[in-house]
Amino acid sequence: AQKITQTQPGMFVQEKEAVTLDCTYDTSDQSYGLFWYKQPSSGEMIFLIYQGSYDEQNATEGRYSLNFQKARKSANLVISASQLGDSAMYFCAMREGYDMRFGAGTRLTVKP
Amino acid sequence: DSGVTQTPKHLITATGQRVTLRCSPRSGDLSVYWYQQSLDQGLQFLIQYYNGEERAKGNILERFSAQQFPDLHSELNLSSLELGDSALYFCASSVPIDTYNEGTDTQYFGPGTRLTVL
Repeated sequence: AQKITQTQPGMFVQEKEAVTLDCTYDTSDQSYGLFWYKQPSSGEMIFLIYQGSYDEQNATEGRYSLNFQKARKSANLVISASQLGDSAMYFCAMREGYDMRFGAGTRLTVKP
Repeated sequence: DSGVTQTPKHLITATGQRVTLRCSPRSGDLSVYWYQQSLDQGLQFLIQYYNGEERAKGNILERFSAQQFPDLHSELNLSSLELGDSALYFCASSVPIDTYNEGTDTQYFGPGTRLTVL
């Protein structure tokens, strides 16, 4: 069964606008972690943000915030004030114990 | 720069051959993870080592093996290579960020090794 679902294969956003990348997950565990990574065309995987399943507050890191809705099992990434350099693949991931699963990714293109 | 290094950056080899990919984790990180990223399978977890010992196994083929040495660097060995093994192989290392939430280490990825099997 698919553990992590990213329903948007591609997204476009105008420079300086905000964009939300969707992620839903499936788990029966109470303890898990949710992550977002960015993969530019150069290929490296860059850690962006983390949300623990017990965290009450949504995680934020600079222009990145994670909209965590535990009951709906969603962990959407919000990028504010998009920049041209934000154009990349974005992967949502979930860690349950020692198992790490990634979604298929969303390709974000920022238009000038 | 994540602080995780991987060599080589690119590797081209033939079917049936064996290759070794190398990874050095960030200073202080005890865990090393290996991932395979291919177009058809996406990003898949292969195996994790913690302080020299195997900690978890994912979708790692029997033709593949890994180890972590006393200096904490790790090697991934791929043997009897097939065309389908062509992929980007990532190594990641981790630091725990939440002691109440087991296994929620933040993993920092290396630049990857692109393997092409001809």
